[in-house]
Amino acid sequence: DSGVTQTPKHLITATGQRVTLRCSPRSGDLSVYWYQQSLDQGLQFLIQYYNGEERAKGNILERFSAQQFPDLHSELNLSSLELGDSALYFCASSKRTSGRVSSYNEQFFGPGTRLTVL
Amino acid sequence: DQQVKQNSPSLSVQEGRISILNCDYTNSMFDYFLWYKKYPAEGPTFLISISSIKDKNEDGRFTVFLNKSAKHLSLHIVPSQPGDSAVYFCAARVSNSGYALNFGKGTSLLVTP
Repeated sequence: DSGVTQTPKHLITATGQRVTLRCSPRSGDLSVYWYQQSLDQGLQFLIQYYNGEERAKGNILERFSAQQFPDLHSELNLSSLELGDSALYFCASSKRTSGRVSSYNEQFFGPGTRLTVL
Repeated sequence: DQQVKQNSPSLSVQEGRISILNCDYTNSMFDYFLWYKKYPAEGPTFLISISSIKDKNEDGRFTVFLNKSAKHLSLHIVPSQPGDSAVYFCAARVSNSGYALNFGKGTSLLVTP
């Protein structure tokens, strides 16, 4: 158990709908990352938040948005869903983003939310 | 544009032998490399990492080698055990990108008794 929780585990919805995925980071971790894993792709970085502020953006569609709340949990909102949005969505957390190049903050991953768009 | 590539989708190794998983990258700005292990229905679990200023890092049965000139890294598992059967992801990071990781597509390792 990584200490990162994600809800729901599974989500089935229809095209055009909107869903919200939730992530609670490990206790004490300030950074939250969202990744998408499609069938034929590796994990693709979507977005990162640090202590409530957006820190980095990856290949996130404009239909997707995220936020991190004062209690540090994060939500990923996916709207106008398309069939191609069906994927596993992972949340990861780590302690901080700054530091020396030689140090690294390991990312701990949650179990993921499997989204199926019909 | 896949900046981290794992060209072998699968690998089968006999228990007790060495497993070698390979990874190539294209971005010379990557400064840290990691291997994650993933079992079905679970999130990836961190395994081992290496800084770009080193060429080898060892942790028990796991050793990661980095060849910067070839933009290549490998994970060696010795001896391989059936419990090592999982999907292994290579990942890399650029320090000024907020520590987000670029992942390869993974290699599925099967260790047979």
